[in-house]
This record gives sequence, C-alpha cells and structure tokens, in this order.
Amino acid sequence: EVQLLASGGGLVQPGGSLRLSCAASGFTFKSYTMNWVRQAPGKGLEWVSAISGSGGSTFYADSVKGRFTISRDNSNNMVYLQVNSLRAEDTATYFCAKGPPNLNPLYIDVWGQGTTVTVSS
Amino acid sequence: QSALTQPASVSGSPGQSITISCTGTSRDVGGHNYVSWYQHYPGKAPKLIIYDVTVRPSGVSDRFSGSKSGSTASLTISGLQTEDEADYYCCSYTVGRTLLFGGGTKVTVL
Repeated sequence: EVQLLASGGGLVQPGGSLRLSCAASGFTFKSYTMNWVRQAPGKGLEWVSAISGSGGSTFYADSVKGRFTISRDNSNNMVYLQVNSLRAEDTATYFCAKGPPNLNPLYIDVWGQGTTVTVSS
Repeated sequence: QSALTQPASVSGSPGQSITISCTGTSRDVGGHNYVSWYQHYPGKAPKLIIYDVTVRPSGVSDRFSGSKSGSTASLTISGLQTEDEADYYCCSYTVGRTLLFGGGTKVTVL
C-alpha cells in the first residue's frame, strides 16, 4: 500500500522559513514524480511544485517560484519542500502527492494527509 | 496563471446524472489529453477518479466518466448516490510543464 506521511508544518512569522518533509513507502520511490499541493482555508486546491524521479527536473507554480525549493532523497524515500519568505497567503494545508512514472507532472494518483502551515505574527 | 473554471456548485437527486464542466485554454485543457479529476471530502486526502481525460483508475466506480471537447472538460456522475456528495476538482497539465487546478465544485445530493 502506498503511504505518504507529510510533516514539518507549524506556525511561522511572515518572512520566516520551514522545511516540509514527506516520507514515502509502498512503491519504487525513485521511479515516480512527486508533488506538493496546498489548500488554503476555505479555498480550492493549488498545485505548488513537482520533482522528477531522478530529481533532475523541478517545476514550480508562479506563486512560489524563487521562494520555495523542492528536493528529494531517493536513498531514504523522502521528498522535501523548503519554504522561504513566507507570506500570509501561504497559510494552507500542504499535501504530499505522488505522480505517474513520467518526467513531467501529468497528474496525481495518490495523496497524503497533509501538514498545516500557518503564517501569522 | 488563473485557475480552470468550474461551477461553484452542482446538485441532483439520487439516481440522477450530473455533469461538472471545467473550462481552460489552449495552453492547458485544450492543448493535450492530460486532464484529471479528483474527489475531495473535507478533512480527507483527495482521491483521483479520472485521468488522461477518460481513464478511471482501478477501483473507481464506473458511474464516473470523463470527456473533453476543445478547451472544456467534463465529469459526469451517473446514478447519483449520497456518498457522492463532496468537492470535485479538475486539473490539467499545462504548456509550462505545471499542473493547474480548477476552483472546485461542491456536489450536493438533494
């Protein structure tokens, strides 16, 4: 069974940073694109970032480009999202999500439970 | 990039069919066949119900079906059941090699 366990969320001041982590299991991790998707309170889903299986290709939404960095550790089946220069509008639940075995983020086939980031002074 | 356009809400009675539209542009929905749909119960993880416009993952009810015409994709739920009451999101791969979600549609079973 595929499992995705996200962690690292919390309360942070505007301008602050956090590193979100996602532990994956139940599949050949290095073969699959991984994503982060967020949902602000009362709002819809927003795709944030993706990384190819090898880690050689990364993709970002315009809203986070230059502030967020996605990375992965295929030895330990982990994917990370470094979130810097946080703004109030980054407050959301962040879902770790698995994509198909393709270089590009074509869709998401499995979602984790999410970790909550709150940006407030 | 603006979200794909979905109706905010759709409702139907048990047993009826409903259709949710998802309108984009030639840079996303209209540019290829990588449209997916997700069912989301609040507080839970979303679930993939359609990918590549029309394909149902294993285990998803055949009451869910997808289609596309031009830059508008659609999700049809046939034989509406009370457990179908949830939020539904479309999503498209884009020319910028990103994913773009719709604003979401709340389905209510009357």
